[in-house]
Amino acid sequence: AQKITQTQPGMFVQEKEAVTLDCTYDTSDPSYGLFWYKQPSSGEMIFLIYQGSYDQQNATEGRYSLNFQKARKSANLVISASQLGDSAMYFCAMEGAGSYQLTFGKGTKLSVIP
Amino acid sequence: DSGVTQTPKHLITATGQRVTLRCSPRSGDLSVYWYQQSLDQGLQFLIHYYNGEERAKGNILERFSAQQFPDLHSELNLSSLELGDSALYFCASSVSGGAYEQYFGPGTRLTVT
Repeated sequence: AQKITQTQPGMFVQEKEAVTLDCTYDTSDPSYGLFWYKQPSSGEMIFLIYQGSYDQQNATEGRYSLNFQKARKSANLVISASQLGDSAMYFCAMEGAGSYQLTFGKGTKLSVIP
Repeated sequence: DSGVTQTPKHLITATGQRVTLRCSPRSGDLSVYWYQQSLDQGLQFLIHYYNGEERAKGNILERFSAQQFPDLHSELNLSSLELGDSALYFCASSVSGGAYEQYFGPGTRLTVT
């Protein structure tokens, strides 16, 4: 069974500052994928970034980077230079090897303060 | 816009009723996934179809069923509705399989009164 844990129900960050959203995972699969999604108040799920378990380098996508520490089973999302539009729920998710289904964490609500 | 469409956007119905949620995947996508997002359970995988065949089942209740049609659109049928079924239901699609390629639709918000 796979499990995703997001321990921060809510976070505040000042505009233009960086913020780290925590995610730890548990799986017995040797191969897996880790994802972050953003859900604004409008409700849609927006894919942000992906990290494969065998990827040697941490994934980056624009202002998003994934701090992947395999031994600690953590996959934290770092958002640099926060913008007001970054205010949203953020979900960490995992896909096990060949399962094609996502297991989500409970989410972190990020609020960016002007 | 992900290219995945879901109808209706909102649905309000009474307990005991049956509803059908519809999903049209992106053009060329063969896989359709259904997810449920509720306040108490969070986001949960329900079921996956690939080219008309059921591939995987998650936490889907027996009162719920789904199918994927030859034109690849999918329907999620929810019957004997209970208050606890109130949730946001997402459909996602991908070309083959692989969560990396999953594109989410805007969701259908179901309210059971």
